[in-house]
Amino acid sequence: KNEVEQSPQNLTAQEGEFITINCSYSVGISALHWLQQHPGGGIVSLFMLSSGKKKHGRLIATINIQEKHSSLHITASHPRDSAVYICAVRTGYGNKLVFGAGTILRVKS
Amino acid sequence: KAGVTQTPRYLIKTRGQQVTLSCSPISGHRSVSWYQQTPGQGLQFLFEYFSETQRNKGNFPGRFSGRQFSNSRSEMNVSTLELGDSALYLCASSFPSGQGGDTQYFGPGTRLTVL
Repeated sequence: KNEVEQSPQNLTAQEGEFITINCSYSVGISALHWLQQHPGGGIVSLFMLSSGKKKHGRLIATINIQEKHSSLHITASHPRDSAVYICAVRTGYGNKLVFGAGTILRVKS
Repeated sequence: KAGVTQTPRYLIKTRGQQVTLSCSPISGHRSVSWYQQTPGQGLQFLFEYFSETQRNKGNFPGRFSGRQFSNSRSEMNVSTLELGDSALYLCASSFPSGQGGDTQYFGPGTRLTVL
């Protein structure tokens, strides 16, 4: 079993829909990251969480440390949100990350 | 500020050769991490350097090595290349704020193809 599990693997939504991507992990962590990767490879860090909730524009990330679960929400989705969303956890000291397999999101207009 | 830069962007090598990839972090960042991304295994952590010292290492064979210079620029080297080393190699830099984790800024990656 992978240490970091994401669901769903693939997601197709209509423009304007509310989207949720889930991440569960089985190890102790010091922080959890949500990353976005567009075709061509570039990765952007969206959020780093160790507790609670963060919001940036139409993106919201939450984490429940007790349940070892995090969610990434996209409100009013747009075709430009189409990308791969990756959950990664930091296990202990330094910047060593363990990654989920990613969720491929396609938003249709 | 300029972002993280990686050179070269594309590289083709043959089995048995060695390769060196370079990463220049954002100015002021002292931590550089390297990752390998393949379609089969996804993203995997290779190693992290902080102030010229390897701080963390992933589960990769000794053929994969790296170093960091006093100006925080980092290189990774892969010796005796295998077909399975074909991948996108990403580096990321961060400004260390403590041991709890830092936001990482990723470079565009080097796409290595081993023939």
